[in-house]
Amino acid sequence: DTAVSQTPKYLVTQMGNDKSIKCEQNLGHDTMYWYKQDSKKFLKIMFSYNNKELIINETVPNRFSPKSPDKAHLNLHINSLELGDSAVYFCASSLDKRSYNEQFFGPGTRLTVL
Amino acid sequence: ILNVEQSPQSLHVQEGDSTNFTCSFPSSNFYALHWYRWETAKSPEALFVMTLNGDEKKKGRISATLNTKEGYSYLYIKGSQPEDSATYLCAFGTASKLTFGTGTRLQVTL
Repeated sequence: DTAVSQTPKYLVTQMGNDKSIKCEQNLGHDTMYWYKQDSKKFLKIMFSYNNKELIINETVPNRFSPKSPDKAHLNLHINSLELGDSAVYFCASSLDKRSYNEQFFGPGTRLTVL
Repeated sequence: ILNVEQSPQSLHVQEGDSTNFTCSFPSSNFYALHWYRWETAKSPEALFVMTLNGDEKKKGRISATLNTKEGYSYLYIKGSQPEDSATYLCAFGTASKLTFGTGTRLQVTL
């Protein structure tokens, strides 16, 4: 059983398109995250939800909109895709929002914008 | 902007060598320090989470120490094996957020 799953694994699309990435966790965790792995392989937090409530919203363009329909799911919708959005996006979850809980990562979604 | 720095950036050792890496982080607003192991084409997996100054954790041949007063943590691998080849990430935790370092890439050869 996959603890944190993401779909799709790969996404190739044209500039200007709108796309979504989905994430699901079956660990019963309260908190979920989206990270972006940039070109320097650096993992940067984008958003965090705790029990469907947004608790972290880093400096991310408002073309990125997370949605959490329930605490087991956190989706990421990106409007008007740009070349610079090409990256690997990782979803993660933790027991609750306190930072001493380890985070469990999904397999990543490699987004390529042409 | 929180600075979480790891050194060295990369390391190449022979099988059987022992090695260690450093993570340095701000000494204020500290809640936790995480270490993750990230193999190529996989996702990061937690090794340790440490919260108290002086904490030491061990899992098999891998161990870690924490000094929150001076803002550093060491990760040690004893008797490196090829399967230890991976990127090792540390992450500094404030109340509810982790800031990751850029990692130390370890390559272990026969």
